[in-house]
Amino acid sequence: ILNVEQSPQSLHVQEGDSTNFTCSFPSSNFYALHWYRWETAKSPEALFVMTLNGDEKKKGRISATLNTKEGYSYLYIKGSQPEDSATYLCASLDNTGRRALTFGSGTRLQVQP
Amino acid sequence: DSGVTQTPKHLITATGQRVTLRCSPRSGDLSVYWYQQSLDQGLQFLIQYYNGEERAKGNILERFSAQQFPDLHSELNLSSLELGDSALYFCASSVTGTATDEQFFGPGTRLTVL
Repeated sequence: ILNVEQSPQSLHVQEGDSTNFTCSFPSSNFYALHWYRWETAKSPEALFVMTLNGDEKKKGRISATLNTKEGYSYLYIKGSQPEDSATYLCASLDNTGRRALTFGSGTRLQVQP
Repeated sequence: DSGVTQTPKHLITATGQRVTLRCSPRSGDLSVYWYQQSLDQGLQFLIQYYNGEERAKGNILERFSAQQFPDLHSELNLSSLELGDSALYFCASSVTGTATDEQFFGPGTRLTVL
């Protein structure tokens, strides 16, 4: 069973700060990594799906990188805004046949105006 | 709004009872997933359907069952409910149900078992 870990558990930053957090996953049998953004009282919203080692994806001020050999992904937010406040979830899927995402517990980001 | 609908939004019931949660996927999506979010736990995958057939199964209890109907909506049935079944249940959908599909989540059904 995959064990997906995210750090830090929570993060408080000031508006305008850039920040990043980590998702770690077992590198053996890796197949895909998903990032989701989950605002309070809403439902998770897909940010990125990544599959290739060295992959980099960007959406506005948010970007992500993937290292499948060492089993980690970074999510970066440039110039954080209060509306970026949310829990950021990563989820990994392996190719051993289970075909289901295993989610980490998330990084809760709070951006102070 | 993701386009995925779930009903009801809230459900309060007693131990030992049975409930049915309903999900309608986004238009054009063939795959439906069910997740459980309990207090202090991350999202736990329960089960996935693709075009009416079960595709993947997670740690779903034997007391729980699901199905996807010909019109692609899905129902999650929870029976012999226990206090520990109180949770937020999400449905998500995707186009093809493959690993690289983004999943679109519904608003969730909050189940409280008293």
